[in-house]
This record gives sequence, structure tokens and C-alpha cells, in this order.
Amino acid sequence: NAGVTQTPKFRVLKTGQSMTLLCAQDMNHEYMYWYRQDPGMGLRLIHYSVGEGTTAKGEVPDGYNVSRLKKQNFLLGLESAAPSQTSVYFCASSYSPFSWTDPQETQYFGPGTRLLVL
Amino acid sequence: DAKTTQPNSMESNEEEPVHLPCNHSTISGTDYIHWYRQLPSQGPEYVIHGLTSNVNNRMASLAIAEDRKSSTLILHRATLRDAAVYYCILRDSNSGYALNFGKGTSLLVTP
Repeated sequence: NAGVTQTPKFRVLKTGQSMTLLCAQDMNHEYMYWYRQDPGMGLRLIHYSVGEGTTAKGEVPDGYNVSRLKKQNFLLGLESAAPSQTSVYFCASSYSPFSWTDPQETQYFGPGTRLLVL
Repeated sequence: DAKTTQPNSMESNEEEPVHLPCNHSTISGTDYIHWYRQLPSQGPEYVIHGLTSNVNNRMASLAIAEDRKSSTLILHRATLRDAAVYYCILRDSNSGYALNFGKGTSLLVTP
């Protein structure tokens, strides 16, 4: 199993450009997440999905859109990149048999995408 | 949400045990204690979790104080590969979907 993979690993954008980050998982997990990590700070949740076709906002959703058309894929889009979106982006997935937040749930993370917006 | 407090950094010698502390004096009875670590330039990875009893797995041991106000992650023989930031996180069914990583403890392992 590859686990959680992210594409691309690194990208440089100019202000105003758009791009899509792809996350794929092969563990048949229902839940998927996008986090960003800035220097000296912990991870912050951007958007998440509790199943195919569903998405929801996290702590810092502004400037991002997401889609979950297939269970194994979770896409993060930047329509008009800004320097403030320079960060490392991590995707994660998890399985929970419950419809509510499982306190024992384990999240599995991808290797990250480093994005630099000039 | 209950908060956790960890030292900013710790240092250990290779092949020696490491005890990473976490204080959570306001922990509730339903909070699980999770530990994740983040190796340099990698995504976080799950290490271990527990509720009340001590827990062991192939990566580490988790010792939970009897009053649950603190816990300790134990790496039995540190290797250079264990150099990472270690995060202590509390979770219950009302925690929401985001893991609250905080600042964590940066562990330096020296040969």
C-alpha cells in the first residue's frame, strides 16, 4: 500500500495563478483532510471531507476550494494564489466506523506539498 | 478543549531511553491522549494513544499518570531516526475533525 500520496511535491506560483493539489489514498478511508503548516506553527485544517461528494470548511478555508468526486481522491484548489498561501500542505485520511468524531481515530498523513507563491 | 503543555525541546543520546513529558491538567474523563511525531520534511505520523492504562506498541510506550493530568511518551532506545517534533494531543468525541498539533517537543538525538 502506498498510503497517502500527494502531487506535486513542490511548486512555485506567481501571484494570481491557479493550481490544484492532488491527494490520493489507497486505504479505502471515508474521511480526508487538507492542512497547512507555516513556519513555527502547528498544522491548521483548511477543508475536510467525510465521504465521497461531501466537503466542509475547516479553520482556515478562505482562498481555497476542494472537491471529492472519488472516494480515494481529495483535491485542493487555489483559484488566485497569494503570497500568504506560501506554506507546506499536508493531506490526511482516516477511518471511523461512527458518524460522529471518533476520539480514537488515527489520521494518516501524506509527505506534503511545498508551495511558494511569489 | 483541554490544553497540553510540552517542553519546547529535549536532547538525548543515541541508544538511550527518552522520556517525553506532556502535562494536561484540565483533561476530561473522555479525552484520549494521542501522540504523533513529525520527522524533518515529512508529514506527521501516528505514534500511540491511550485513555487510562499504559500502552505499548512497536514504536513506543505511553505511561499515563494515575490522575491522568500528565503522560509520558517513552522511546526505549533512541536512534538518530527518532529525531523529530513530538506532539501530544487530546481528543474526545467533541474535538471536531482537526488534530490540534500545538508546538510540540523537538527531540534532538546525538550519536
